[in-house]
Amino acid sequence: DTAVSQTPKYLVTQMGNDKSIKCEQNLGHDTMYWYKQDSKKFLKIMFSYNNKELIINETVPNRFSPKSPDKAHLNLHINSLELGDSAVYFCASSPRGDSTDTQYFGPGTRLTVL
Amino acid sequence: RKEVEQDPGPFNVPEGATVAFNCTYSNSASQSFFWYRQDCRKEPKLLMSVYSSGNEDGRFTAQLNRASQYISLLIRDSKLSDSATYLCVVNIGGNEKLTFGTGTRLTIIP
Repeated sequence: DTAVSQTPKYLVTQMGNDKSIKCEQNLGHDTMYWYKQDSKKFLKIMFSYNNKELIINETVPNRFSPKSPDKAHLNLHINSLELGDSAVYFCASSPRGDSTDTQYFGPGTRLTVL
Repeated sequence: RKEVEQDPGPFNVPEGATVAFNCTYSNSASQSFFWYRQDCRKEPKLLMSVYSSGNEDGRFTAQLNRASQYISLLIRDSKLSDSATYLCVVNIGGNEKLTFGTGTRLTIIP
């Protein structure tokens, strides 16, 4: 009955590979997000989707491509992985996507690029 | 200047003490303010929203000072379970984008 779930929890891969992280929320929320938390613990938004439509696309390399097949799912595909992509990636969701919403985070995917 | 700035700490505080953190934000048009809590190797979770009039939730009190552009969090009678990183979070643009501070690390010592 996890509210926001992500798979995998850990991902270790070689530089240059392509990988995907999946996220699902069962809260019925309209808006989903991807965040990156780097080694200095700084949490920064990457993307947000509202009802499958891209709303926020921060300055993220185009090697990162989000996909939202429906409003309960937001996946993140990363091409040509680089060492600097090593981080914890959090998925989150919020009810409506307005400024007062609480955001609910998934448990994170710890990506290590070797 | 960073959009949201916090003292990273660490704050090491004896159990039962009162501890306060401040956080400053740079954009005077910021609309919504929150404190999130993140335990080690876990996801952030909402601790409390911060309202203009200030608000309290048990041992936790949050204040907003728009004139000086800072928010504060006060924890009274601190417990060992309060040990965590406290993230100051600001909604700047009025949309769903949240800007996170780097967090203040708090350790409660028995």
